[in-house]
Amino acid sequence: KAGVTQTPRYLIKTRGQQVTLSCSPISGHRSVSWYQQTPGQGLQFLFEYFSETQRNKGNFPGRFSGRQFSNSRSEMNVSTLELGDSALYLCASRGRGYSGSDTQYFGPGTRLTVL
Amino acid sequence: AQTVTQSQPEMSVQEAETVTLSCTYDTSESDYYLFWYKQPPSRQMILVIRQEAYKQQNATENRFSVNFQKAAKSFSLKISDSQLGDAAMYFCAYRSAQRNTPLVFGKGTRLSVIA
Repeated sequence: KAGVTQTPRYLIKTRGQQVTLSCSPISGHRSVSWYQQTPGQGLQFLFEYFSETQRNKGNFPGRFSGRQFSNSRSEMNVSTLELGDSALYLCASRGRGYSGSDTQYFGPGTRLTVL
Repeated sequence: AQTVTQSQPEMSVQEAETVTLSCTYDTSESDYYLFWYKQPPSRQMILVIRQEAYKQQNATENRFSVNFQKAAKSFSLKISDSQLGDAAMYFCAYRSAQRNTPLVFGKGTRLSVIA
């Protein structure tokens, strides 16, 4: 079974631009979560989607948004980029109703650099 | 809010030796999950081991085992017969058993393996 995939793997943007990141979960997984990883703040939760609905949201400004499609693929959007948005963005998928459904499996991440 | 603390930012171990990484957490809940994830340099985060809080038996996965002390809120990871491929950042994570709750991560421990 293929793992979680994320595209693109690397992005370079300038301040004020917007960016969209994509995540495809493991086949059959309906929950997708997004995390931001930085050296200073570590891993911080952004939001979780299940069946196209946002189920939980972390403490990030409204510039960070996401959505999930009917095939469970998810996108994350950051508008009006700031230098501090430079980070590794990780997507994780989780099954529901399966044994071990509490376990999240991570993708390789998208490395975003804001200049 | 739950917190996870990894008090050892860096550790090193000789190849073939045993090392223990520490993790403590703070929660008022009785039902939850604990995880150790491994993130090799510039590579994908992978699950090492998981523990359900309602299980008293410590989880094991080949050379990896945990010492779960629920009353002390401690969840340490023991790596036996350390290999060069074990070198990575190790993250301890907590997740409530309530629905739609995210992983809460510690800051990580960087493990070096010396040949």
